[in-house]
Amino acid sequence: NAGVTQTPKFQVLKTGQSMTLQCAQDMNHNSMYWYRQDPGMGLRLIYYSASEGTTDKGEVPNGYNVSRLNKREFSLRLESAAPSQTSVYFCASRSLTEAFFGQGTRLTVV
Amino acid sequence: DAKTTQPTSMDCAEGRAANLPCNHSTISGNEYVYWYRQIHSQGPQYIIHGLKNNETNEMASLIITEDRKSSTLILPHATLRDTAVYYCIVNTGGFKTIFGAGTRLFVKA
Repeated sequence: NAGVTQTPKFQVLKTGQSMTLQCAQDMNHNSMYWYRQDPGMGLRLIYYSASEGTTDKGEVPNGYNVSRLNKREFSLRLESAAPSQTSVYFCASRSLTEAFFGQGTRLTVV
Repeated sequence: DAKTTQPTSMDCAEGRAANLPCNHSTISGNEYVYWYRQIHSQGPQYIIHGLKNNETNEMASLIITEDRKSSTLILPHATLRDTAVYYCIVNTGGFKTIFGAGTRLFVKA
């Protein structure tokens, strides 16, 4: 079992560029999440998806869009990247009792 | 979901028990207490959760006060590999899981 897989692991973008962060889980979980973590800070929830076909805003959704492509995949899109979006992005999926996290995507916007 | 308060950082000697407190005075009756930890820059890892009874697993013990307004995560024999940020989270087990700043635990040789 791979668990939660995120791609890419590292990315550098120029201001204004767009990109999509990919996340896939193989645990047949209904709910999936995207978080960001700035240096020295805790995780902040960007968007979540309670089940296939549904998405909801978290604490910091501005500047992001998401797609729950199917039960396995939940992608995060930055349409026009800004330096304030420089962060580590974590995807997670959740069983009834616990959340499982990917290893993160380290994004730098210059 | 209820708000939690944790100390910013704590130290513990290797081999000793690490006791990490968490206050959640506004917890409601159907909210669980969850603990996760994050080692260095890895993704967070689930440790344990409970509703009102004390819980124990292979990683840790969770002690919840009778009024449920606070809890303590206990790592019985801390090792250097337990150095991490520990997050206490309270929610109903629903979808919106919010992390705070956590407690940075330093285990010292």
